[in-house]
Amino acid sequence: DAGVTQSPTHLIKTRGQQVTLRCSPKSGHDTVSWYQQALGQGPQFIFQYYEEEERQRGNFPDRFSGHQFPNYSSELNVNALLLGDSALYLCASSLTPGGRGVSYNEQFFGPGTRLTVL
Amino acid sequence: KNQVEQSPQSLIILEGKNCTLQCNYTVSPFSNLRWYKQDTGRGPVSLTIMTFSENTKSNGRYTATLDADTKQSSLHITASQLSDSASYICVVTARNNAGNMLTFGGGTRLMVKP
Repeated sequence: DAGVTQSPTHLIKTRGQQVTLRCSPKSGHDTVSWYQQALGQGPQFIFQYYEEEERQRGNFPDRFSGHQFPNYSSELNVNALLLGDSALYLCASSLTPGGRGVSYNEQFFGPGTRLTVL
Repeated sequence: KNQVEQSPQSLIILEGKNCTLQCNYTVSPFSNLRWYKQDTGRGPVSLTIMTFSENTKSNGRYTATLDADTKQSSLHITASQLSDSASYICVVTARNNAGNMLTFGGGTRLMVKP
C-alpha cells in the first residue's frame, strides 16, 4: 500500500513563472490538504480539497490555486512566482466519512516537493 | 487567532541523554494534539496523538504529556539516539463545521551528538 506520493521531488523556477505540483493520496483517502513549509519553520495550511472542491483555505493569495481529480489526486498551482515562494510544499491526505463532508481523521503527509525560486 | 508556540527552537544533546520539548497553544475549539517527527527535507510522521481527556501517551522512547487546563504539552525523549536528530513539531487540531483545521508550531530542531 503506497502512502502519499508527491512529484516532482525538487523543482527550480525563476520569478514570474508558474509551477504545478502533484499529489496522490494514500489508498482509500479522499481528502487532500496542501501546506507550505519555509526553511526552519512549521508548515502553513494553504487549502484542502474534498469532492473536487476547495473546502477550506488558509491565508494565501489567489496566486495559489488547486484542483482535485475524480481519482482524488490533486494539483497545487502557483502563478507569478516570487522569491518568497521558495519552500517545501507538503501534501497530506485523509478520509472524510461518507455523506458528512467533514473530515476529522488523521492526515498522512507525503515527502514534499522542494521548490526553489531564483 | 489559533497559535502554537514551541520551545526551545533548537537543542543539542549527547547520545544517551534525555530531553524534553515544550509546546504551548491557544487553539479553539480543541480537538487533539499531535507530536510529529520531521527528518530534514521529508514529510512529518506522527509520533503521538492525545485528545482532551488524555494526559499522557507513550510511543517507545517518546512520551507526550498534555495539560488541557494550562494548554501545555511536552514531549520527553528517553535515552536519545543519533537517529532522533530531527525537527519535532507540535500540531493542534481545531474542529469546525468544515472539518479539521491544523495549527502547526514552528518546531524544535534536535541534534543528538555522539
